[in-house]
Amino acid sequence: QVQLVQSGAELKKPGASVKVSCKASGYTFTTYTIHWVRQAPGQRLEWMGWINAGNGNTKYSQNFQGRVTITRDTSASTAYMELSSLRSEDTAVYYCARGGVGVVSAPDYWGQGTLVTVSS
Amino acid sequence: QTVVTQEPSLTVSPGGTVTLTCASSTGAVTSGFYPNWFQQKPGQAPRALIYSTSNKHSWTPARFSGSLLGGKGALTLSGVQPEDEAEYYCLLYYGGAWVFGGGTKLTVL
Repeated sequence: QVQLVQSGAELKKPGASVKVSCKASGYTFTTYTIHWVRQAPGQRLEWMGWINAGNGNTKYSQNFQGRVTITRDTSASTAYMELSSLRSEDTAVYYCARGGVGVVSAPDYWGQGTLVTVSS
Repeated sequence: QTVVTQEPSLTVSPGGTVTLTCASSTGAVTSGFYPNWFQQKPGQAPRALIYSTSNKHSWTPARFSGSLLGGKGALTLSGVQPEDEAEYYCLLYYGGAWVFGGGTKLTVL
């Protein structure tokens, strides 16, 4: 069965960076994309970007351009999302999701989420 | 800045029918926006329901259906169950990037 397992909760200081991992299993990792989505407390979902796990091509939301980097390690079937220059507004649950459905690889299976707290 | 707009909240009676919509600030939503719909309950990750306007996942209950309606993406729930009370998000495709709507809080009362 398809599973996406994310790394554990993080506490970071303002100005620091955080790197969240997403380990995939149950399917051929390089055949699909991985989306990253975040949700601040009580707020809406926000799409951050995605990576083609096969060729490594990425696309980021303009809202995060320059601060987010999405990478993958095909040997470990794992995708990573790194967010830099953290501020308190980046406190959120960060989700990865497999992009597998339809022509444009919409999200289907989701990870459990990783809480990132930014506080001094 | 592209904005995707949904009804903030809707209320439906058990067994009733309700339609949620999803509008784009760029104009009419067409099949080329590949509308997706997700359900999220408190403390849980989102669950995919509909992709590419009207396609259901293998786990999507039959009472959920997707369509285009009056220039918007639409999600219709027919024969609503108490367990359908949740937040619903649409997701639209903009030529390589995606944008979520603000979400609709559906209350079953």
